[in-house]
Amino acid sequence: KAGVTQTPRYLIKTRGQQVTLSCSPISGHRSVSWYQQTPGQGLQFLFEYFSETQRNKGNFPGRFSGRQFSNSRSEMNVSTLELGDSALYLCASSLVGGTYGYTFGSGTRLTVV
Amino acid sequence: LAKTTQPISMDSYEGQEVNITCSHNNIATNDYITWYQQFPSQGPRFIIQGYKTKVTNEVASLFIPADRKSSTLSLPRVSLSDTAVYYCLVGDGTGGFKTIFGAGTRLFVKA
Repeated sequence: KAGVTQTPRYLIKTRGQQVTLSCSPISGHRSVSWYQQTPGQGLQFLFEYFSETQRNKGNFPGRFSGRQFSNSRSEMNVSTLELGDSALYLCASSLVGGTYGYTFGSGTRLTVV
Repeated sequence: LAKTTQPISMDSYEGQEVNITCSHNNIATNDYITWYQQFPSQGPRFIIQGYKTKVTNEVASLFIPADRKSSTLSLPRVSLSDTAVYYCLVGDGTGGFKTIFGAGTRLFVKA
């Protein structure tokens, strides 16, 4: 079966711009989580969506937001980009949550210049 | 949410068995223990999950003592391609699973 698909794969944006990243989970998976990974901070949890509802949120500023659609596809948005937002953004899906293990996508590499 | 502690890095040679231990003193009754592997510029990959005693699959074994305050991921006969970062996670996945990845263990396999 198809894995978790993230688009785009690479992105270059300018400071102050906004960006939207997309994630298509594995068919049947209802939980989608987003992570930011940087060399200095490792994998940082952003938020988790389940059945279109955000049920967990990490410690990120309000510039980071997300949503989930009825087909479980999810998007995350970062507004007013800063240089420090340059990172690999990973999406992971699971049937109902972490108990059954997450499947991660290959990520979107965002570079802010 | 149970916090986990793992060694920052480990070195091994090809063909050896590697054991990576994770401490999770505050594990809750409903929590499972899950291990992931990550290669550079890729998303983490699920390796194995367990609740107690021993779990084995085609790539690894997971040993969990009776008190469940630690767990050990065992990789038999590692190869160069096992060089990666390994993460231990603890959680029950119910009511919203806020998956928190620690720093992980960077395993370097040498020829």
